[in-house]
Amino acid sequence: GAGVSQSPSNKVTEKGKDVELRCDPISGHTALYWYRQSLGQGLEFLIYFQGNSAPDKSGLPSDRFSAERTGGSVSTLTIQRTQQEDSAVYLCASSAGQVSYNEQFFGPGTRLTVL
Amino acid sequence: KNQVEQSPQSLIILEGKNCTLQCNYTVSPFSNLRWYKQDTGRGPVSLTIMTFSENTKSNGRYTATLDADTKQSSLHITASQLSDSASYICVVRENINDMRFGAGTRLTVKP
Repeated sequence: GAGVSQSPSNKVTEKGKDVELRCDPISGHTALYWYRQSLGQGLEFLIYFQGNSAPDKSGLPSDRFSAERTGGSVSTLTIQRTQQEDSAVYLCASSAGQVSYNEQFFGPGTRLTVL
Repeated sequence: KNQVEQSPQSLIILEGKNCTLQCNYTVSPFSNLRWYKQDTGRGPVSLTIMTFSENTKSNGRYTATLDADTKQSSLHITASQLSDSASYICVVRENINDMRFGAGTRLTVKP
């Protein structure tokens, strides 16, 4: 069965441009998470979806960041007016539900470089 | 201050040797603790999960320990292989939505 997929795998953009990152979770997984991993740093939580709703947006670093999830499946993370400090690997994970024991399965990430 | 501290930050060992990675946390309340392995350019993959009542759990050559009283966990790798070269991340879960990530230990296994 397919795991979590993300696209694009790499994205190079110019400062000030908008970017969209996509995440396809494992089929049937109701919970979906976005993280950011900067070079040499730990994972930074951005946002969590349960179904199509986002009960926890506390990690979004600014109002330039937004995310949506449609049909309880695919999610997109949008960064508007990108800045150089947005350069990082953006990881998506999904899990079978809200139970804390459930394992999160991670995608390979999207490496974003803002020039 | 990060609520999950990992040490060492990086480690280089020779193939076939053993090593132990440490994770100290201050997260409370505690639900569970996972160790993840992250290969370069890949997403993290879970190695073990430990709950409050578990002291040790093995997954092949990986053995995790947990002392919930002192809030310490370790990951022991036996007879290391080149493919063990990766970052190892400790994640402590507070509740359903609240997870705290360590910065990871970068392990390099050399032939």
